[in-house]
Amino acid sequence: GDSVTQTEGQVALSEEDFLTIHCNYSASGYPALFWYVQYPGEGPQFLFRASRDKEKGSSRGFEATYDKGTTSFHLRKASVQESDSAVYYCALGDLDNNNAPRFGAGTKLSVKP
Amino acid sequence: EAAVTQSPRNKVTVTGGNVTLSCRQTNSHNYMYWYRQDTGHGLRLIHYSYGAGNLQIGDVPDGYKATRTTQEDFFLLLELASPSQTSLYFCASSDGGYNYAEQFFGPGTRLTVL
Repeated sequence: GDSVTQTEGQVALSEEDFLTIHCNYSASGYPALFWYVQYPGEGPQFLFRASRDKEKGSSRGFEATYDKGTTSFHLRKASVQESDSAVYYCALGDLDNNNAPRFGAGTKLSVKP
Repeated sequence: EAAVTQSPRNKVTVTGGNVTLSCRQTNSHNYMYWYRQDTGHGLRLIHYSYGAGNLQIGDVPDGYKATRTTQEDFFLLLELASPSQTSLYFCASSDGGYNYAEQFFGPGTRLTVL
């Protein structure tokens, strides 16, 4: 079945560091890819999505490019802030098979000032 | 702004107990979902629905029933709760085709089964 893999369970950075969180997917159809962010005590919030090869999604300084060749949708930010500390989820929605979105295991980002 | 509410926010029950978690959304979304969130597993889909009276099985449905009574209301039922069902439960809703549309999540219900 369709699946999403996030390599890093936890990432620890200092303010102004560059962030990369890796997301790879496996899907038989035509997936849409999403990033969500979850702050402590809250439900996940949509960041952005992409649904075509080479399409870039972005929001709040975060960005990711859909790469069908490497089946990836890595999250990046040039300069993180302490307020970015949260759990980040990559998710996959399969347009072809009409299934509900599936989420990766999540990556906890901790940013120290 | 989409609004998804869940009740109760916290629940403690004993093994074998009967629990109902409630979710309501007020933005006329067609699709609603129940997920459980556990450390190391992220969000796992239990059940989902694309309209009143409809129910679809997710990835971890064992031990759970769900019912969508109206467009707004989606319930998760644990009829014989077990300690393995101790978790943080999230409800979500989305508009349009659920593969493409963003999901709006509720604040979560923390369930403890003793």
